[in-house]
Amino acid sequence: QVQLVQSGAEVKKPGASLKVSCKASGYTFTSYAMHWVRQAPGQRLEWMGWINGGNGNTKYSQKFQGRVTITRDTSASTAYMELSSLRSEDTAVYYCAREMNYYGSGRYMDVWGKGTTVTVSS
Amino acid sequence: QSALTQPASVSGSPGQSITISCTGTSSDLGDYNYVSWYQQHPGKAPKLMIFDVSYRPSGVSNRFSGSNSGNTASLTISGLQAEDEADYYCSSYTSSSTLLFGGGTKLTVL
Repeated sequence: QVQLVQSGAEVKKPGASLKVSCKASGYTFTSYAMHWVRQAPGQRLEWMGWINGGNGNTKYSQKFQGRVTITRDTSASTAYMELSSLRSEDTAVYYCAREMNYYGSGRYMDVWGKGTTVTVSS
Repeated sequence: QSALTQPASVSGSPGQSITISCTGTSSDLGDYNYVSWYQQHPGKAPKLMIFDVSYRPSGVSNRFSGSNSGNTASLTISGLQAEDEADYYCSSYTSSSTLLFGGGTKLTVL
């Protein structure tokens, strides 16, 4: 079955960098885009960016531009999200989510990972 | 814009219908019919419930429906059930080719 398995929880110090992985299975990785969404404790969902699984093109939220890098390793069917210069406000659950393939041009996330809990604390 | 605007909470009794609104601008929801709704139960990942304003993915109950008018989209849940109690988020494509979520609405089934 289609699933996204994310890497485990992380504790980071302010100023450090974070890299979360998202391994896909059950579908052709290069045929779908992958999004990254985060959710701070008790807060709303926040879209971070996406990567085209085929050509590697990316698009980032302006909020994270310059701090976030999304990459993929097609041989491993895995997407990665790196966030640098961490601060306490980056404490959140980070989700990867597959973009739905359909006849239209919208961007929707139909399969989600379980999330990776990241705590930023000194 | 930092987020689409949703009411913080709504409530309804089993069997009733409720509607959650989602207000954006002409740079997002008002200019694109690429609106979606996600359901999130506590401690779980979100689930896509509506896409393209009013279409349901396979497996989503037809008790869920969506619509839009101008800069406001709406999610209606009819025949409320206890399992519908969750947080609901709207999302829209934007003129910057990015995605924007709403602030989220907590649905309580009384």
